[in-house]
Amino acid sequence: NAGVMQNPRHLVRRRGQEARLRCSPMKGHSHVYWYRQLPEEGLKFMVYLQKENIIDESGMPKERFSAEFPKEGPSILRIQQVVRGDSAAYFCASSPRDGRPPQHFGDGTRLSIL
Amino acid sequence: KQEVTQIPAALSVPEGENLVLNCSFTDSAIYNLQWFRQDPGKGLTSLLLIQSSQREQTSGRLNASLDKSSGRSTLYIAASQPGDSATYLCAFPRGGGGSNYKLTFGKGTLLTVNP
Repeated sequence: NAGVMQNPRHLVRRRGQEARLRCSPMKGHSHVYWYRQLPEEGLKFMVYLQKENIIDESGMPKERFSAEFPKEGPSILRIQQVVRGDSAAYFCASSPRDGRPPQHFGDGTRLSIL
Repeated sequence: KQEVTQIPAALSVPEGENLVLNCSFTDSAIYNLQWFRQDPGKGLTSLLLIQSSQREQTSGRLNASLDKSSGRSTLYIAASQPGDSATYLCAFPRGGGGSNYKLTFGKGTLLTVNP
């Protein structure tokens, strides 16, 4: 009965490094969503993926950010050449095969950039 | 563009009080709405989901209502307890074109229930 699992819970990177955030959806869920919560801001949608497909990446910054959800393994949100403004909580959510709500959220990864 | 506003931003009440949290939205063409709670340093826990054809949903001491015509939803918490202290968020998927997955969140109401 594991829920959405995200790791690491906390990640510290220096400016210019790469950050990799992982998300394993709930059992039986094949739809994954990534959201970002900046300090003092609400959660913002970033990207929606199904297995091996990016369905909607309209909320992703055009540069340095990428996401994947391979056939095997967790979904990965990758941030290259991190900057201080990338410091935020990144949440992953999943929903069942047909994509219907509700979305179930993980505990997030808190990314801090030094 | 869907805008979501939650009022008040923060609320402090004594234990046992009944309370109402408000959520307003600008676009009435919504598929559904969800109420979540977020504990400090934690993720979001889904509390209630109301489909656009429904007017309310109940779970235990929680009752959520939806009035699309006025662009409002309320979350009613009965007999509040200190364990209810958290940030409460409402969220709507952006409607139109089948994109009923892209949740738009309010900034939340920080609730403190004092023993």
